[in-house]
Amino acid sequence: GAVVSQHPSRVICKSGTSVKIECRSLDFQATTMFWYRQFPKQSLMLMATSNEGSKATYEQGVEKDKFLINHASLTLSTLTVTSAHPEDSSFYICSARSRGDNYGYTFGSGTRLTVV
Amino acid sequence: GENVEQHPSTLSVQEGDSAVIKCTYSDSASNYFPWYKQELGKRPQLIIDIRSNVGEKKDQRIAVTLNKTAKHFSLHITETQPEDSAVYFCAATKWGNEKLTFGTGTRLTIIP
Repeated sequence: GAVVSQHPSRVICKSGTSVKIECRSLDFQATTMFWYRQFPKQSLMLMATSNEGSKATYEQGVEKDKFLINHASLTLSTLTVTSAHPEDSSFYICSARSRGDNYGYTFGSGTRLTVV
Repeated sequence: GENVEQHPSTLSVQEGDSAVIKCTYSDSASNYFPWYKQELGKRPQLIIDIRSNVGEKKDQRIAVTLNKTAKHFSLHITETQPEDSAVYFCAATKWGNEKLTFGTGTRLTIIP
């Protein structure tokens, strides 16, 4: 079945630095990538949707200049958290879809970000 | 946009008994309703899904029912086992490259 590889699984960074999270589709073309954030004991909240080769569409309240999304190829999408602050500490998870597929939504394994 | 409500937020069930989790959605255009199981620190795993052209779907101990008129759908787990303990999320979307809207989650605990 479809697999999305997400790295890193855990990262600790200092306040003010940037962190990049990668999601790669291993055996299919991810035409659409969804990026979610999940705080402890809460649901998955969609941050943005990106289509390959296009600018990402951000959900209301999500700062596009802080959470940079790149989806330059059909197998790779990245989320960069810029100038991270402790309140950005969360579980970030991607979900990929392929146009016209039967795979549904394939989730990455998630990244636990801790900003100290 | 779509809004999905999920109840209960926590549920404890004796091993072997049944568990039911309910969700309601707001957008009548939604036509795809997946259920996910998420263990701590891991990715959500699809356990069953249903499309709006059917009212019920079953896979071994798991079943989902959909009432389009009332805009609600439910997850039923029978003969529960300790490994069923996890957080369960319902979701809704209009099939075809649309974003999923998740419910708030239900923490299910199976008591041995």
